[in-house]
Amino acid sequence: QQQVKQSPQSLIVQKGGISIINCAYENTAFDYFPWYQQFPGKGPALLIAIRPDVSEKKEGRFTISFNKSAKQFSLHIMDSQPGDSATYFCAATSSASKIIFGSGTRLSIRP
Amino acid sequence: NAGVMQNPRHLVRRRGQEARLRCSPMKGHSHVYWYRQLPEEGLKFMVYLQKENIIDESGMPKERFSAEFPKEGPSILRIQQVVRGDSAAYFCASSPLASVSYEQYFGPGTRLTVT
Repeated sequence: QQQVKQSPQSLIVQKGGISIINCAYENTAFDYFPWYQQFPGKGPALLIAIRPDVSEKKEGRFTISFNKSAKQFSLHIMDSQPGDSATYFCAATSSASKIIFGSGTRLSIRP
Repeated sequence: NAGVMQNPRHLVRRRGQEARLRCSPMKGHSHVYWYRQLPEEGLKFMVYLQKENIIDESGMPKERFSAEFPKEGPSILRIQQVVRGDSAAYFCASSPLASVSYEQYFGPGTRLTVT
């Protein structure tokens, strides 16, 4: 119930392409869904987040799509760049409580 | 405004020794969270603290691990009698006083190696 399942585990995308990472959850008490970006040797940094009453949120090249009925959400990175190469974590939380992280997706953008 | 600070950044301990990890939250933040990340895995919640109070320690191992966030000074995660399986990156995050903010800001982590 507390899990957030993330796929794929790793992803290789050509420069300029679209990177898509998918996540699913079970606990309907979750009401905040952040995405974190982590570079090697660094801490996770908040990238973008969405609440379940919104179906889509876009910030620059990053878009979250949210399907409340299916309990699924995804991150789309448009026009992917080599600088986007990092590990991405989807996550879920409720009421300023602990964050439940997905297992991560290692993204590599090929020049 | 400085971000979340953690020290040391790297810590090497022999089996059986104690490890003390420190976390200074962002200015104005009174909520601190500790997470552990094993190699090639996601972060796992350990404990959530406010000043002088443990709010949620459901992710803490029952033995050898403890955490505190005193009225003055940094939050401390303490691991007694370390074992090889404790080798991991330990991240601290903080959030503002207003609990309506769900955003947590992470520090750079402490990488613990147990030899």
